[in-house]
Amino acid sequence: AQSVTQLDSQVPVFEEAPVELRCNYSSSVSVYLFWYVQYPNQGLQLLLKYLSGSTLVKGINGFEAEFNKSQTSFHLRKPSVHISDTAEYFCAVGSASGTYKYIFGTGTRLKVLA
Amino acid sequence: EPEVTQTPSHQVTQMGQEVILRCVPISNHLYFYWYRQILGQKVEFLVSFYNNEISEKSEIFDDQFSVERPDGSNFTLKIRSTKLEDSAMYFCASSEVAATYGYTFGSGTRLTVV
Repeated sequence: AQSVTQLDSQVPVFEEAPVELRCNYSSSVSVYLFWYVQYPNQGLQLLLKYLSGSTLVKGINGFEAEFNKSQTSFHLRKPSVHISDTAEYFCAVGSASGTYKYIFGTGTRLKVLA
Repeated sequence: EPEVTQTPSHQVTQMGQEVILRCVPISNHLYFYWYRQILGQKVEFLVSFYNNEISEKSEIFDDQFSVERPDGSNFTLKIRSTKLEDSAMYFCASSEVAATYGYTFGSGTRLTVV
């Protein structure tokens, strides 16, 4: 069975400061990893994904994430946040074993303060 | 950019009534999914659909739920007899290939059962 843990339910940060949103997963098989963002009253938008290869992946809006297999982590980072980054961020894991579903974390609410 | 479209955005229904949630996936996508998010909880997989049949479903997706692709463009989720605990945001998603490359989600239908 797979699981995803997002350790922080809320992260307040000042504008132009760096941010890291943490995600840990557990799985007995190879995984694919995703970060989605949900702006208020909107759907889930794919920020970035790790499928294979380079462990540092870059996504939209200046976000990046690093896959760390030994620590089973996939933390999301941005060097300088904007007010417009205020949203809910979800980490998700998919399996390379042929299942179609993703397992989502509980989400981290990023609040960027002026 | 192509979008997954969901209608209605909000539906209120009485307990015991049938509801149909509608989705128009991206036209060249072959895989379709429903997820739900109960308020304040994680996003949960319900069902995946490929080649006109269910490819995978969760334990949540019991006999009260059904999915259909009635006309080659729409993808529907039917709840036969709604319960209070079915109140949630329901997300439709689609992908061009299998789930490994990331889904495109719709903006969701908020279902309120009273």
